[in-house]
Formats: sequence, C-alpha cells, structure tokens
Amino acid sequence: GDSVTQMEGPVTLSEEAFLTINCTYTATGYPSLFWYVQYPGEGLQLLLKATKADDKGSNKGFEATYRKETTSFHLEKGSVQVSDSAVYFCALSFSDRGSTLGRLYFGRGTQLTVWP
Amino acid sequence: EAQVTQNPRYLITVTGKKLTVTCSQNMNHEYMSWYRQDPGLGLRQIYYSMNVEVTDKGDVPEGYKVSRKEKRNFPLILESPSPNQTSLYFCASRPIFRGRRPYEQYFGPGTRLTVT
Repeated sequence: GDSVTQMEGPVTLSEEAFLTINCTYTATGYPSLFWYVQYPGEGLQLLLKATKADDKGSNKGFEATYRKETTSFHLEKGSVQVSDSAVYFCALSFSDRGSTLGRLYFGRGTQLTVWP
Repeated sequence: EAQVTQNPRYLITVTGKKLTVTCSQNMNHEYMSWYRQDPGLGLRQIYYSMNVEVTDKGDVPEGYKVSRKEKRNFPLILESPSPNQTSLYFCASRPIFRGRRPYEQYFGPGTRLTVT
C-alpha cells in the first residue's frame, strides 16, 4: 500500500549546522509530497510541498526536491536555528483518487533539536 | 482568522465514560478528518468526511464515532473510552481538490486525551 518512511530520530544539531531528514515513499501513481512541522504544543503546519517529479518545494530556508527515480523527498536546510526545533513529518496524498481523495499518509515523524 | 478549533485541549477521563471532542472550522471546507498521534507511529487517520452527512472510516476507526450534521463541525465521539485510546488527537480540514492541484490541509491545535 501507499506509505512514507522517514529517518528515525531524534536528530540533534548545533546552530548553523546542515540538516538533512530523509524521506522515501511507496505509492502506486503520482502523489503530491509534503513536509509538515509541529512545534512544541502546537498542531501541524505545512512547511513545503511538491506536486510533480523534479519540483522543488521551499520555505523558511528549508528545501525538498521530488525525486521520482529514487522515490524520495528529503528535507534540507543549510543552517539551522534554535527556533527550528520541532517534529517534522513527511507526507503524501493523491489528487486523483475518489475514495482516498485528500487523505494524507504520514511518516512517523523526526524530532529535531537544535542547540545554541 | 482562518482556523480549526478543537475542544477541550486536555482531557483526563475514566474507562467507559462517554466523551465528545468538538472540532470546528471557519473556512467553509468540505473535507474534514480526525487523526491520532502516537509516539513512533506518526499520525493515523481515524475518520474523514467529504461533506455534510458523508463520513467514512480511516485506518483506525475502532472505538470511535463521528457525525457531520453541519459543514463547519465534525465532532469525534468515544462511546466507551479505553486506556489504549490515550493519545493526541488532531482535527483537520481542507477544500476538496479541483483538478490536480492539492490544497493545504489545516490542522487544529490538538486534544490530549488520557483514559485511566
């Protein structure tokens, strides 16, 4: 079935370090891909998205490229800040399936902690 | 302000005592859903609704009920809560897809439920 696999956390980095959180997916068809972020005590917020192969989503210094050949959507940031500490979720959904239209399939989440 | 609201935010209850978690959105979205978040499992969909009076099961519907009598509200009902339903619950909403453009899903702030 359709699923998302994220690298296990937690990830601990120093401020200004480079971040990569790996995400791969299994899907029949052509999903849209998302990264959501959950700050402590809050709900999920959309961080970035990509709707087709080779699209690059970007927001707040984070980037992810939709790689169909490797079925991946890795999240990267060149220089993390303490305020980036949060849980990050990779997710996919389909825009062309009746019964599962709009449903998000989430990875298990990766906890990121950034130290000053 | 566009938002999804949930109440209560925190709830401690005992096994077997019926409870309802309310969810309301002010964006006129057709699609609403409930997720539960558990450590190491990410978010799993409980139920979803494509519109008023149209609801369907997600991945983990056992022990839950929902109703959609009005477009803005989508309450989650636990008729006889059990300790394995202790979790963090999120309500979400979004408009139905038009064509192939995916729309952002908006999440509520979460309800932390403890069943003893």
